[in-house]
Amino acid sequence: DGGITQSPKYLFRKEGQNVTLSCEQNLNHDAMYWYRQDPGQGLRLIYYSQIVNDFQKGDIAEGYSVSREKKESFPLTVTSAQKNPTAFYLCASSIGGTGNQPQHFGDGTRLSIL
Amino acid sequence: AQSVTQLDSQVPVFEEAPVELRCNYSSSVSVYLFWYVQYPNQGLQLLLKYLSGSTLVESINGFEAEFNKSQTSFHLRKPSVHISDTAEYFCAVSEWNTGKLIFGQGTTLQVKP
Repeated sequence: DGGITQSPKYLFRKEGQNVTLSCEQNLNHDAMYWYRQDPGQGLRLIYYSQIVNDFQKGDIAEGYSVSREKKESFPLTVTSAQKNPTAFYLCASSIGGTGNQPQHFGDGTRLSIL
Repeated sequence: AQSVTQLDSQVPVFEEAPVELRCNYSSSVSVYLFWYVQYPNQGLQLLLKYLSGSTLVESINGFEAEFNKSQTSFHLRKPSVHISDTAEYFCAVSEWNTGKLIFGQGTTLQVKP
């Protein structure tokens, strides 16, 4: 079945440590997105990529980095510069990266601080 | 800039009762509107979308939403809810050229027996 796979489901970070969240899709979608979800705040966009080897900052990119070397993969690194990383992280993809294309979501990674 | 406001953070309702989850948006351009549903510890699932055409859109599980341009609203309704509808519901508007979604804060629907 086609879909989006996020791993791991749970992740713990120590102080000063960088961690990488994986997002893989086999839907042949061009666009991929990373959102952060905090209770009562909805979802906020971290980074997005409309095509391989290109990505753009979203609303809350500080302390995060991404790469898009392959169409099917869009990993997110939470760096030590992100002072409040505890959140639920959701990856999504869409066919063409335009507004009329619905996004499909993975099941998320919950990141916590040790 | 676009924004979305979901007017109720929690909506408790008894099983088989009707429900309305309210959503208002702000945008200076034409909009695409979406409702997503999230069950605990899962990702978001598309419930329904308004792209163009008929202002009333329906989902396969009995939900419907009506796009009202004059009131800048996209309220979600269901005439009779089930226990299994208990979840968090997000309204979102998308940017036409990037597909970026701007979400409301979410509404938790609590269906009681």
